[in-house]
Amino acid sequence: GENVEQHPSTLSVQEGDSAVIKCTYSDSASNYFPWYKQELGKRPQLIIDIRSNVGEKKDQRIAVTLNKTAKHFSLHITETQPEDSAVYFCAAFETSYDKVIFGPGTSLSVIP
Amino acid sequence: DAGITQSPRHKVTETGTPVTLRCHQTENHRYMYWYRQDPGHGLRLIHYSYGVKDTDKGEVSDGYSVSRSKTEDFLLTLESATSSQTSVYFCAISEWRGSSSSYEQYFGPGTRLTVT
Repeated sequence: GENVEQHPSTLSVQEGDSAVIKCTYSDSASNYFPWYKQELGKRPQLIIDIRSNVGEKKDQRIAVTLNKTAKHFSLHITETQPEDSAVYFCAAFETSYDKVIFGPGTSLSVIP
Repeated sequence: DAGITQSPRHKVTETGTPVTLRCHQTENHRYMYWYRQDPGHGLRLIHYSYGVKDTDKGEVSDGYSVSRSKTEDFLLTLESATSSQTSVYFCAISEWRGSSSSYEQYFGPGTRLTVT
């Protein structure tokens, strides 16, 4: 089955700097890659996603890139703000099975 | 919040006792999921359902069973709770958004279960 790895497990950045979180997946059949943000004590929420036929997608300060050949995908947050502090999860999804497999998460701290 | 509720929200139980967690949704979603969340492990899929009485195992199904007798309810049962099942349990539904080609999972508020 699918296995998703995520690095780093913790990340601290100064406010205004960029943050990058990297994930790898194992199943070449996976074709959809969402990213979730979970604030302390709250439920995970989708922030951005990318499909396998797209190499990059951007939404304001957040961007995601995908390299299907290498089975890598990354989340980029620019101009970080304290409210970006949270745990971020990447995930991989093979749409015909309707199962999302999550990475272990990255705890991001943005220092004012 | 996609109309998802979980009950109870918090529970403390003793080792060896049975426990049932309930997930309820009001928007007639076909797919429902149970995850557990533990530090360092992220969200791990326990069981999922793709319709009434249609369920399948996830990554960490041992020690858990599920039932879905109605579209709106998905029950997770720990037949004999163990300390290793102390965790936060999230229910989720999935919804395909054709307009944006996204397959979003909406999570319930979570249930914090402690097994002593």
